[in-house]
Amino acid sequence: NAGVTQTPKFQVLKTGQSMTLQCAQDMNHNSMYWYRQDPGMGLRLIYYSASEGTTDKGEVPNGYNVSRLNKREFSLRLESAAPSQTSVYFCASSARGLLSTDTQYFGPGTRLTVL
Amino acid sequence: GDSVTQMEGPVTLSEEACLTINCTYTATGYPSLFWYVQYPGEGLQLLLKATKADDKGSNKGFEATYRKETTSFHLEKGSVQVSDSAVYFCALSPSSGSARQLTFGSGTQLTVLP
Repeated sequence: NAGVTQTPKFQVLKTGQSMTLQCAQDMNHNSMYWYRQDPGMGLRLIYYSASEGTTDKGEVPNGYNVSRLNKREFSLRLESAAPSQTSVYFCASSARGLLSTDTQYFGPGTRLTVL
Repeated sequence: GDSVTQMEGPVTLSEEACLTINCTYTATGYPSLFWYVQYPGEGLQLLLKATKADDKGSNKGFEATYRKETTSFHLEKGSVQVSDSAVYFCALSPSSGSARQLTFGSGTQLTVLP
């Protein structure tokens, strides 16, 4: 039982390049999330998927797209990377996203640098 | 909108000292409250949570009490260890809305010296 896994762990891009961050969970959770973490700002929600087949914007969605490929997998795509997207990206999942008491489980993160 | 305000860091303590990290929130209704911990180079892990007023969450010697009257959820530990060195995040999940998005505080870096 690996929990939430993310690939890659590190990535360096040039401005304008594209890439996809992969996330998978093996806990049969319904809801999945993408956050970015910047110094002094905590975590901010980019996109989330309340259940398979649905996605919604979070607090900072500009410059990103997501795909909920199936119940296990939720990918984040940067179509044209910008230096402002340099950050650490975390994927998370929760069993029943419609309940406020639900715990979110986080992956180990992807450290992205855009030059 | 919802918000979480955490005590500014960094915080440096000697081993066996007492710890308090302040957290206050703004939200409508009755949110659930969480403390997450992030060890160096790792993702966030749930430390403890409380889902209704006056609930006390506890884990690994840490405690926090959900105080509705002061909209607070302060994290406390009576005797810290070097292994407690990490970044601590307070977060809330609203009582209504879809997918119950977490709102995080900015995090407090704790360093415990031997």
